[in-house]
Amino acid sequence: IQMTQSPSSLSASVGDRVTITCRASEVIGDHLAWFQQKPGKPPKSLIHTASRLQSGVPSKFSGSGSGTDFTLTISSLQAEDFATYYCQQYRSYPLTFGGGTKVEVK
Amino acid sequence: QVQLVESGGGLVKPGGSLRLSCAASGFTFSDYYFSWIRQAPGKGLEWVSYISDNGRTRYYADSVRGRFTISRDAAKNSLYLQMNSLRAEDTAVYFCVRDRDKKYEYAFDVCGQGTMVTVSS
Repeated sequence: IQMTQSPSSLSASVGDRVTITCRASEVIGDHLAWFQQKPGKPPKSLIHTASRLQSGVPSKFSGSGSGTDFTLTISSLQAEDFATYYCQQYRSYPLTFGGGTKVEVK
Repeated sequence: QVQLVESGGGLVKPGGSLRLSCAASGFTFSDYYFSWIRQAPGKGLEWVSYISDNGRTRYYADSVRGRFTISRDAAKNSLYLQMNSLRAEDTAVYFCVRDRDKKYEYAFDVCGQGTMVTVSS
């Protein structure tokens, strides 16, 4: 299953609302996760089952979608949110990740 | 605390072998399924391999099948990745991660800090 993320990068300011999209090459139901990764660090799980926040993840992050089209939204971007974000399908193995979206400072 | 710690990375020549280890602590190791994922320098995330809670089911990415072997040792609370016939394109940071729990619910909630593997002559 191929996962296509867009955009591959975006520039935003603190306080902005940011939306990242992810499309699966076939129906995956809600078996979709989102990760945040900062340079030199492992990926951190934010959301699973398309819209469920992992424990401890702030509510400014939200996910939506089902089937093939999904969205990650950051409601009000903060300094600590500048990072690269990845989607991942876990409907079937091999697990596959999107190519990533780098969120940079405008 | 709940933790995964990888080790065993290093510099190896093309065609060589390495064995990565991942030590688990702070939770019941046998309750979880695990995966290895990797990230080449400046690139995205790639899933590599999966092993079930009892070790009987294993999956591999096409790019490593036949060269890599995943295993686990319940007595040592450890996960392993034996990597043979290494290629330059295997150069990456390798992470171990909790994949699913004993109910087969998705996890990916705990990931190690990673170990760097460099394949170069």
